[in-house]
Amino acid sequence: EDKVVQSPLSLVVHEGDTVTLNCSYEVTNFRSLLWYKQEKKAPTFLFMLTSSGIEKKSGRLSSILDKKELFSILNITATQTGDSAVYLCAVDYNTDKLIFGTGTRLQVFP
Amino acid sequence: NAGVTQTPKFQVLKTGQSMTLQCAQDMNHNSMYWYRQDPGMGLRLIYYSASEGTTDKGEVPNGYNVSRLNKREFSLRLESAAPSQTSVYFCASSYRGDYEQYFGPGTRLTVT
Repeated sequence: EDKVVQSPLSLVVHEGDTVTLNCSYEVTNFRSLLWYKQEKKAPTFLFMLTSSGIEKKSGRLSSILDKKELFSILNITATQTGDSAVYLCAVDYNTDKLIFGTGTRLQVFP
Repeated sequence: NAGVTQTPKFQVLKTGQSMTLQCAQDMNHNSMYWYRQDPGMGLRLIYYSASEGTTDKGEVPNGYNVSRLNKREFSLRLESAAPSQTSVYFCASSYRGDYEQYFGPGTRLTVT
């Protein structure tokens, strides 16, 4: 059965901390792995990863994929209260289909 | 450029009633999707449309029908609502299947 598992389920940190979110997957026909940030409403796209070992970076956020060990991590450095959200990992496992993990809820306190 | 829009934002239905959720995108995307999001379950694909004129079932299609009206619009219909269909529904679109998806703001549906 295809599945995507995220850990931890929930994380509480203080501003300035660095966090690492994990996503492991077991799917057939892997094509890419995507990270989304969901605040109150719609998930917003962060990264798409297709190749192992190539870090994608956007400001304080970065992500990397390991296709041999079947996982990805999302790092957030110098966290801010605005980073509080649910972070979703999804895997494209077939044409036009994504399977999502249940998400990691990050709370950043001042 | 509104992106992906959905109507309505909120809806309360009684068991057995029907309704249609509307979705439109103005990004000239080929692929469109309907998801539901339940606590602890993540986003699950209901139906998708790879291009105008085609639709396919996703992970949880039972109790739903869809129509890809044109390239811009993709509607989701509940013919006879059940309490198990209480959820938040998201529409999404992408340029094509191997590109990132962009999500609408969601519709919160409660079936009593």
